[in-house]
Amino acid sequence: DAMVIQNPRYQVTQFGKPVTLSCSQTLNHNVMYWYQQKSSQAPKLLFHYYDKDFNNEADTPDNFQSRRPNTSFCFLDIRSPGLGDAAMYLCATSRVSKWGNIQYFGAGTRLSVL
Amino acid sequence: AQKITQTQPGMFVQEKEAVTLDCTYDTSDPSYGLFWYKQPSSGEMIFLIYQGSYDQQNATEGRYSLNFQKARKSANLVISASQLGDSAMYFCAMSDLVDNFNKFYFGSGTKLNVKP
Repeated sequence: DAMVIQNPRYQVTQFGKPVTLSCSQTLNHNVMYWYQQKSSQAPKLLFHYYDKDFNNEADTPDNFQSRRPNTSFCFLDIRSPGLGDAAMYLCATSRVSKWGNIQYFGAGTRLSVL
Repeated sequence: AQKITQTQPGMFVQEKEAVTLDCTYDTSDPSYGLFWYKQPSSGEMIFLIYQGSYDQQNATEGRYSLNFQKARKSANLVISASQLGDSAMYFCAMSDLVDNFNKFYFGSGTKLNVKP
């Protein structure tokens, strides 16, 4: 059974039209991450939540926002998508550990911007 | 500074043969974790194997083993008896504690093609 679920799998939006991607988890992990991945590149961390604490990466554009209403759900909001925001968006979860716990990923949402 | 280096952008291997994917890492933290993920064309990142920095033995999971050489800071993935379904992108990752959360650093990936 899927433990990290992302919806939708494919999202098409228009240039400048706000879009929300969702992620839910059944693992009860305290950390949730959002990554952006462009073709044939490594995933790029956008931000993460440690419980309710939100942490932005320094180079994440202001166009990207996130919400975590409870432990299970996390949302990625793109306020005004540009053509350069077309990418795969990956949600992941983990527990905090000194030696690094496994990070579990959802299947991703592939975003197209027209 | 680059934390994870994967020097092989692409690799070919014959079906049923073994293949080694290279990964070197850089950290001054004595406590860290090393991971390998597989990403098929569908896009999902699939966890394969984990090695803790204090683990004495190399990790193994079925056909996957991690050749951990701490002094050389390398964590190569060995896939034995390659199958056609192993064709995918493979990412090496490292995790250490930064401000009380595990930050993950990914390499640039190696695209593996298994030939019949």
